[in-house]
Amino acid sequence: DAGITQSPRHKVTETGTPVTLRCHQTENHRYMYWYRQDPGHGLRLIHYSYGVKDTDKGEVSDGYSVSRSKTEDFLLTLESATSSQTSVYFCAISEGYRGPNTEAFFGQGTRLTVV
Amino acid sequence: KNEVEQSPQNLTAQEGEFITINCSYSVGISALHWLQQHPGGGIVSLFMLSSGKKKHGRLIATINIQEKHSSLHITASHPRDSAVYICAVRKGLLSGGGADGLTFGKGTHLIIQP
Repeated sequence: DAGITQSPRHKVTETGTPVTLRCHQTENHRYMYWYRQDPGHGLRLIHYSYGVKDTDKGEVSDGYSVSRSKTEDFLLTLESATSSQTSVYFCAISEGYRGPNTEAFFGQGTRLTVV
Repeated sequence: KNEVEQSPQNLTAQEGEFITINCSYSVGISALHWLQQHPGGGIVSLFMLSSGKKKHGRLIATINIQEKHSSLHITASHPRDSAVYICAVRKGLLSGGGADGLTFGKGTHLIIQP
């Protein structure tokens, strides 16, 4: 199994509070992704990173920010959590995005509930 | 319209049956992935395909690039195969694809009854 650890695995937080989710990898893969999974939708991309300090927005980035200060860590921050951000969040990594190195490996997910 | 469509959305079958899950996509791709997610669990990569066919144990994945279609087959299905199966594509350069990850179908909920 690819070495990806998400923390926390479960969190309940109140509306308006800041929340940070962490994704840690031991594979030294360049690309890291944050997705959210909601009923009735496929996984949707929030933000991604293509290197240390290099990040870009995905399809559903509003209300989220990210940081990557080290290859192994990719943090997702909800600056002021809202109930619409209740979801299951998945981190994924890949070595590349072209050719044979594009296999994606996923973390176990973080279930976030905003009350 | 979603760029990746899966069918059926839900499938219940008896143990031992041959299972087929379909995935159609509307964009040019560089690769297609089949993923498995057990209830409450993480997501596991089953296959990555850019052409032809791959087999792993009782699982077979095929892709037809011209028809923009892929199938996932499970032979001799077992209750432990019960899971959500997700098709995802990595868009090709001409479809605007880059380092921005995969585009996912909504998944097929498979239940195998003993």
